[in-house]
Amino acid sequence: EAQVTQNPRYLITVTGKKLTVTCSQNMNHEYMSWYRQDPGLGLRQIYYSMNVEVTDKGDVPEGYKVSRKEKRNFPLILESPSPNQTSLYFCASSFGGGSEQYFGPGTRLTVT
Amino acid sequence: QKEVEQNSGPLSVPEGAIASLNCTYSDRGSQSFFWYRQYSGKSPELIMSIYSNGDKEDGRFTAQLNKASQYVSLLIRDSQPSDSATYLCAVTTGGGNKLTFGTGTQLKVEL
Repeated sequence: EAQVTQNPRYLITVTGKKLTVTCSQNMNHEYMSWYRQDPGLGLRQIYYSMNVEVTDKGDVPEGYKVSRKEKRNFPLILESPSPNQTSLYFCASSFGGGSEQYFGPGTRLTVT
Repeated sequence: QKEVEQNSGPLSVPEGAIASLNCTYSDRGSQSFFWYRQYSGKSPELIMSIYSNGDKEDGRFTAQLNKASQYVSLLIRDSQPSDSATYLCAVTTGGGNKLTFGTGTQLKVEL
């Protein structure tokens, strides 16, 4: 089954404790992206990757890191999480930047 | 001005009616336009994509694009209670590599 997977689905952590949210796709997509969704603000793009080793900032990159060492994986790293990063996070992938993006199931992160 | 604007709603329509959802965008260079449906607590699900001016139909859904007016819309015919969800308009920006979403329109289909 073609899909985007994310882990963990739910995470509660404390301020400053480094964490990684994994994202993997099995559709051989070139493009992958991370979004956060907050009430009243909608979905906002954090980082995106056009291909392996190629990443770029979205609209809200502060406090996040990404890497793209393999085509199928695009982890999101929070090196020192803060409460304002409490949010619902989605990973998505597509064949290209202007193509239809398919979303993972989401990761609900709470930072206390 | 927000890059992608939608009326937040809620938009209430009776079952069987046509629901009309609208979206405006500010980047004249945008080339790709998408409508996603999102149920509460779930991930966005792609409904329609449209890349050129005019109408595109898929089942009960019709997407309309007018690049001159920077306007894209979604029509849902024969609305069903299962269509009740938030509909997100998304537009490529930043030369086509970024995707910017509107804040969504909540649709309620009433029995």
